[in-house]
Amino acid sequence: SQQGEEDPQALSIQEGENATMNCSYKTSINNLQWYRQNSGRGLVHLILIRSNEREKHSGRLRVTLDTSKKSSSLLITASRAADTASYFCATRGSSNTGKLIFGQGTTLQVKP
Amino acid sequence: EPEVTQTPSHQVTQMGQEVILRCVPISNHLYFYWYRQILGQKVEFLVSFYNNEISEKSEIFDDQFSVERPDGSNFTLKIRSTKLEDSAMYFCASRLQGAYNEQFFGPGTRLTVL
Repeated sequence: SQQGEEDPQALSIQEGENATMNCSYKTSINNLQWYRQNSGRGLVHLILIRSNEREKHSGRLRVTLDTSKKSSSLLITASRAADTASYFCATRGSSNTGKLIFGQGTTLQVKP
Repeated sequence: EPEVTQTPSHQVTQMGQEVILRCVPISNHLYFYWYRQILGQKVEFLVSFYNNEISEKSEIFDDQFSVERPDGSNFTLKIRSTKLEDSAMYFCASRLQGAYNEQFFGPGTRLTVL
């Protein structure tokens, strides 16, 4: 598999429920970032977690990072219909250029 | 809040034609990037640009592609002779210096090659 693979590929939940998306990667990283993309639109940065951090919160978002397992998870609590979008993890490796390698993404549908 | 802007939002061109996609990064950012996303696929890195030169490019970024920062604000991606497979959404991104600064993406330009 490639760097930054998310699972599940698709997730459908009811409003108010929590949504958990996972991301795995292969090489060592400097940081990992999560982005949201509404259908056909641009990428919105959600949260960045550094390689020496294990957990980070931002509003209803909680991100964890396990560098030993090379995995991360994004939890959205108390989901809303407006959270419906695709979510991508992106890893930044050790290169000085800071390029990001994106996963395939998880498509989240939150039903009202 | 400052943001990355891109023009045009949608470009339709004939195969073999040249296109220039334009981006205005956030003003105090120093690193600039182009990515592309073919419909239904993941976002792919094309090129990074720092200190007025390419710092890294992917295998996708062949001789048909070039980037330029013609003045202090614009950052352009040129595709010299477009192919059908160049049809994609092209995203520009920028960030501050520093290892832990997030990249801010523009809204994208949808390129359709006929």
